Parts: sequence; C-alpha cells; structure tokens
Amino acid sequence: GESVGLHLPTLSVQEGDNSIINCAYSNSASDYFIWYKQESGKGPQFIIDIRSNMDKRQGQRVTVLLNKTVKHLSLQIAATQPGDSAVYFCAETQTTDSWGKFQFGAGTQVVVTP
Amino acid sequence: KAGVTQTPRYLIKTRGQQVTLSCSPISGHRSVSWYQQTPGQGLQFLFEYFSETQRNKGNFPGRFSGRQFSNSRSEMNVSTLELGDSALYLCASSFRINTEAFFGQGTRLTVV
Repeated sequence: GESVGLHLPTLSVQEGDNSIINCAYSNSASDYFIWYKQESGKGPQFIIDIRSNMDKRQGQRVTVLLNKTVKHLSLQIAATQPGDSAVYFCAETQTTDSWGKFQFGAGTQVVVTP
Repeated sequence: KAGVTQTPRYLIKTRGQQVTLSCSPISGHRSVSWYQQTPGQGLQFLFEYFSETQRNKGNFPGRFSGRQFSNSRSEMNVSTLELGDSALYLCASSFRINTEAFFGQGTRLTVV
C-alpha cells in the first residue's frame, strides 16, 4: 500500500516573537541530546546540544531546556526571524551504549509569518 | 573549515541495481555515521564507523553496507535496490563518538 508520511506538528510564529519547540524523548537512559534544524533540500544543521548533567544551555538566540524527570526537551528561539522557518528535530543518544547512534524525533515544522 | 561533503547529490537508479554513496567528513573528524531519511520513517540510523571499524549498525537488511577508509572518508553501498530504498541518505561526522555530529547535504536516491 501507499506509505503515509509522518505528520509533522506545525508551529506558526510571528516574526519577532519567541518560539518554543518541544520534544518528548523515549529512552530514560539517554544522556546526550542535540537539536537540529533542517531547511528544505538541505541536511540537518547542528543548533545546540546538552548533556544530562545540565538542565539548561544557551547559545546565540537559542536556549535548550532538559527535564529528565518527564523526559522532555525544549528549544527556545528568541526573536524568531524568517530564516528560522524550517523543520526542527531533537536527537537523543545513550553515550554509554549507543556507539554513535542517535534516535531522532519526528520533527516540528516552524513557519515564521511576517 | 569545509563541512561534510557527500557525493553525488542526486542519483536515479533502476530496481535491482547497486549504488555507492560517498562521504568526506570534516577534517579531523574520525567518526562517520549514516542515516536514511524518508517521509514515512523520518531519520533512521544505518551505521557508524570510527577508525575504519563499524561500531554500530541499525536495523536494515544486509543489502546495506559501508566502510571507512584510513583518511576517515566513508562509503555506503546498497545492493539489489528496491523502490523503498528511495530516500535522502545523510552522512554525519564528529570528532569523537557521541559528540557534536555535523551532517552533509545528503544524497537523494531515487529508485525507479
């Protein structure tokens, strides 16, 4: 039969507003997480990472929050710009066991409107 | 510093053929991993190489194989292509295993 594409949740954000993208991860033993941005026709672009010994990490215009209790990761983008329109993925790995294998979420489509 | 380079960018192959994709990691990176991206399954791990050794393999049939050379460049091969192998194949490199992984632009494979 015909394959069905993953239904990506969409976040519509007005230019200049802050965006919050959420990710529920699956493995309670995961200890390293990365957020990626993927624009149409391109490979995923590294945004920011965080290890499980931290609960917050800040980059340029981005902040990642990690809540291990509920296995939740979020990416906050400040002052969202049109160039932030893309699909955002969270990726998790258990560094003690995975040997380079990251498990990716389905992704969130972010649409920035003027 | 040059990023991860994947060649070719686009490929069209016929069912039953085989294909080889190439990945040149960022200079100094020794870990190379491969992923398949499809609309139906998202990003799925294929395998990871470090110092010419496959350290981990995803849940793909034996038709999918790879290797890494002494200069850390990597190739992956898919034999006896099926229509369902049509996908974007992505390569990522990192300095060490389980550190920041940077992706290439991918190779878009279409099997007809």
